[in-house]
Amino acid sequence: NAGVMQNPRHLVRRRGQEARLRCSPMKGHSHVYWYRQLPEEGLKFMVYLQKENIIDESGMPKERFSAEFPKEGPSILRIQQVVRGDSAAYFCASSSENRAQAFFGQGTRLTVV
Amino acid sequence: QKEVEQDPGPLSVPEGAIVSLNCTYSNSAFQYFMWYRQYSRKGPELLMYTYSSGNKEDGRFTAQVDKSSKYISLFIRDSQPSDSATYLCAMSATNYGQNFVFGPGTRLSVLP
Repeated sequence: NAGVMQNPRHLVRRRGQEARLRCSPMKGHSHVYWYRQLPEEGLKFMVYLQKENIIDESGMPKERFSAEFPKEGPSILRIQQVVRGDSAAYFCASSSENRAQAFFGQGTRLTVV
Repeated sequence: QKEVEQDPGPLSVPEGAIVSLNCTYSNSAFQYFMWYRQYSRKGPELLMYTYSSGNKEDGRFTAQVDKSSKYISLFIRDSQPSDSATYLCAMSATNYGQNFVFGPGTRLSVLP
């Protein structure tokens, strides 16, 4: 049973480009959560999605960031017109109905140059 | 004041020592408390999950919650070099939505 799969593991983008981060939840999990981790800082919640619905996006920046979890396929976190401050590790987690028991992926490390 | 405070370390202990990791928080609404272990360049791994005050034990790990003091602890007995990692506390007022607040993490090194 594969765990939470994130790709790519590393992503380099120039300022102004778009970054697309993908997350495939564990089999049987329908709840997906995205977090951002900056160096020497804790994980910061960004968004909580169920299939085809955004449940809580209170941690998402209002501009340039969007997330989706379509009926088929992985969840996507999209960052448009990236800036240097977007450089961070982005983690995805998934859970079944027991929402506190979430499992994390290995993360995508985004570097904006 | 940050919502969740955690000593960043690094904390170095000899193999076999008892390790005590702690977090304090300011939001009295928090009821769900978790400890995660994160190895370098890896995703966090859930170690312990507790609800409200009290103790919970799982193998060499014991989690304690003292809501009156807004203080939680993770104890690791008979520490091993493989326990060397960053330990993150996390907490939430609800068991819904995963909008947890994480501490910055404590880096632990267990020396052989």
